[in-house]
Amino acid sequence: AQRVTQPEKLLSVFKGAPVELKCNYSYSGSPELFWYVQYSRQRLQLLLRHISRESIKGFTADLNKGETSFHLKKPFAQEEDSAMYYCALGVYNQGGKLIFGQGTELSVKP
Amino acid sequence: GAGVSQSPSNKVTEKGKDVELRCDPISGHTALYWYRQRLGQGLEFLIYFQGNSAPDKSGLPSDRFSAERTGESVSTLTIQRTQQEDSAVYLCASSLGPTGTYEQYFGPGTRLTVT
Repeated sequence: AQRVTQPEKLLSVFKGAPVELKCNYSYSGSPELFWYVQYSRQRLQLLLRHISRESIKGFTADLNKGETSFHLKKPFAQEEDSAMYYCALGVYNQGGKLIFGQGTELSVKP
Repeated sequence: GAGVSQSPSNKVTEKGKDVELRCDPISGHTALYWYRQRLGQGLEFLIYFQGNSAPDKSGLPSDRFSAERTGESVSTLTIQRTQQEDSAVYLCASSLGPTGTYEQYFGPGTRLTVT
């Protein structure tokens, strides 16, 4: 079964603290993982994808196939990072649909 | 350039009525997706279009749901005989192609409330 699990609905940290948003997936094929972000009153947008292995806005995520995880990390959280974060699994055998986790709301307090 | 647009932004309808939701993808994007997001949940895939054909309809929850796409552009999602459980935000996304190489760009969504 194709599934994405984000165990935390809400993560609250103070500015400057490290952040880790957890994501685990279940997929029998070769996974393509993404993190999407939705800031308040904005539309959903791509934050980063594992194939590009880049850091966006200080966030990184490493695909760990052994643990079937794709956790999102940032060493020093900023208030502007407060948003909803969704982990997504790309399924391309039928045309590229995304399977989303339930999302984690990140709240960064001053 | 213009992003993905959706209309209406909000729709309130009575149980049993039919509704039609519209999506205008980014020009030149051949792949188009519909998702649904219920309150407090993640996005659920509904249907995928490549051009005007729909090779993956696996996410449509019942035969009350249908979608079409014309001219490799506009898509409409129709829900017949709406039920309260259809209340959700319906999101449309488009991309240059159906693989992970191409980013999916999302519209602002249509919030549907069935009373």
